[in-house]
Amino acid sequence: AQSVSQHNHHVILSEAASLELGCNYSYGGTVNLFWYVQYPGQHLQLLLKYFSGDPLVKGIKGFEAEFIKSKFSFNLRKPSVQWSDTAEYFCAVNAPKAGTALIFGKGTTLSVSS
Amino acid sequence: GAVVSQHPSRVICKSGTSVKIECRSLDFQATTMFWYRQFPKKSLMLMATSNEGSKATYEQGVEKDKFLINHASLTLSTLTVTSAHPEDSSFYICSARGRFQETQYFGPGTRLLVL
Repeated sequence: AQSVSQHNHHVILSEAASLELGCNYSYGGTVNLFWYVQYPGQHLQLLLKYFSGDPLVKGIKGFEAEFIKSKFSFNLRKPSVQWSDTAEYFCAVNAPKAGTALIFGKGTTLSVSS
Repeated sequence: GAVVSQHPSRVICKSGTSVKIECRSLDFQATTMFWYRQFPKKSLMLMATSNEGSKATYEQGVEKDKFLINHASLTLSTLTVTSAHPEDSSFYICSARGRFQETQYFGPGTRLLVL
């Protein structure tokens, strides 16, 4: 069975600081990888996704993530965070097969102070 | 992107009553829909997967007689919480995926409070 672990439970940064959120997954086969963001009081939004190809994926709002197959990792990065990036961030994985659901990590709360 | 709606956005009910939550894909045909439950400060827990026209597949530990899922059409799935109790209070989120899509699109969620 697939599982996802996010090591950082709560990250606190000042504006303009760089961000890296860890995500590791456990699954023996090919996977699709996702990062979702949930702003306070809002629903989940897709930040970026990796299916295949270039392991460095760029998403919306200046976020990027790198898939490192040997480490089973898909860490999220942003070179300079803004106060508006304060949100809950979820890493998720599924197998690229019809009908399989996304399995989520526990989430990381990012608080950015201005 | 694809849009998924949920109704109602929040509901308060008395213990022992049943509550139905609707999930609709507005601009695509959702061959598969998923129901998640999100506890405060916790991740999304997959409850069940439903494919249009067939019975839902429930995750381990989820009572299928308590959480009835119907996916009668390609644009609508419903989750009915039967005989709700206060411990069923939570945030329920649906997501949908089309036949040839690999991305799930999420609804805005329904907050259920059982008194």
